[in-house]
Amino acid sequence: AIQLTQSPSSLSASVGDRVTITCRASQGIATALTWYQQKPGKAPRLLIYDASILESGVPSRFSGTGSGTDFTLTISSLQPEDFATYFCQQFIGSPFTFGGGTKVEIK
Amino acid sequence: QLQLQESGPGLVKPSETLSLTCTVSGGSISSSTYYWGWIRQPPGKGLEWIGYIYYSGSTYYNPSLKSRVTISLDTSKNHFSLKLNSVTAADTAVYYCARWGGQQLPPLVWGQGTLVTVSS
Repeated sequence: AIQLTQSPSSLSASVGDRVTITCRASQGIATALTWYQQKPGKAPRLLIYDASILESGVPSRFSGTGSGTDFTLTISSLQPEDFATYFCQQFIGSPFTFGGGTKVEIK
Repeated sequence: QLQLQESGPGLVKPSETLSLTCTVSGGSISSSTYYWGWIRQPPGKGLEWIGYIYYSGSTYYNPSLKSRVTISLDTSKNHFSLKLNSVTAADTAVYYCARWGGQQLPPLVWGQGTLVTVSS
């Protein structure tokens, strides 16, 4: 199975900060990568698919880049509602594995 | 608006079978194109794709769970189900049902999730 390694596993940031989260795949997955946001007690929310395509309704401060094995999720200006855990998931092949998550906390 | 709702026992004994149902409202599970399935998340941990079923009945499972998992559709009740047998404490998790728009696309609609604890 393809392994996805997210870093960091957690970070502390302030409102207005630029935040970058990385996701590295154990083998090339083209652009078949999705990013989710999850808040406590809630199902994950789709943010970005195909590595860089913003899901409808997601604020433009979220962006995704990358292809092959290295991917990033960037929040250009962190807002109070962005404090959550972020996961990546690959869709190149079964099983559709997830990264371990990055928890974004308030500094 | 499509909504999914999980239901089933919140407590299952070790070695028994975990059974959950996902009731679909606002749409039909017989609609072509869509895949219906399950993802789980142990408390405080990451997510794991369990598998899904195509509207035609074809199933796709995570190889790590394949020997223990069955996902099925009941079109008469507009719901689909998950059965996981021979459970252990490692199967304790929040179980989410979801709908996928394609085999290699992310799920766009999720249920709220239901916690299943495996304990004697």
